[in-house]
Amino acid sequence: AQTVTQSQPEMSVQEAETVTLSCTYDTSESDYYLFWYKQPPSRQMILVIRQEAYKQQNATENRFSVNFQKAAKSFSLKISDSQLGDAAMYFCAYRSQGAQKLVFGQGTRLTINP
Amino acid sequence: GAVVSQHPSRVICKSGTSVKIECRSLDFQATTMFWYRQFPKQSLMLMATSNEGSKATYEQGVEKDKFLINHASLTLSTLTVTSAHPEDSSFYICSACRDVSYEQYFGPGTRLTVT
Repeated sequence: AQTVTQSQPEMSVQEAETVTLSCTYDTSESDYYLFWYKQPPSRQMILVIRQEAYKQQNATENRFSVNFQKAAKSFSLKISDSQLGDAAMYFCAYRSQGAQKLVFGQGTRLTINP
Repeated sequence: GAVVSQHPSRVICKSGTSVKIECRSLDFQATTMFWYRQFPKQSLMLMATSNEGSKATYEQGVEKDKFLINHASLTLSTLTVTSAHPEDSSFYICSACRDVSYEQYFGPGTRLTVT
């Protein structure tokens, strides 16, 4: 079974600075998808970014980018120019190719200091 | 597009009663929906997979007789917590899966408090 590990329960960063959240996963599959979800205080889960394992290029969405290292099974999220609205729980998630279930990591609580 | 609603957003019920939570995909059809439970400061725990027109698939350790799931149409799944106890108090989140892409879209969640 696949597992996802987020080793940083909490992170904090100064506003306008850059922060990187870590995620590692364990799988024997070669085709899969990886996601970062944001859960702000409203508790609504919001998709931040997704990465297809077959793509070597790292996904980018505005200030959010990932560092996908397939061989190392690592999938970190970089948030540039941090804003107060980025404060949230961030969950890394894995989905097998052809499957619908998501496997979530434990989450990282990100605090933005003004 | 891809909006999922949940109703109610908050509910308080007395111990021993049952409460129903609805999950609707508003602008797409979803053969599959998921129900999660989330404890404070913890990750989402998958409870069950809801399939339209068939029985739900429950994760190990989830009591299927306590958490009844009905997926009556391609846009509606319901979770009924039967004979609720205070330990059932939690935040329940549903997601709906787009049939084509398998992307999951999440509802805003329901906070259940059992007194």
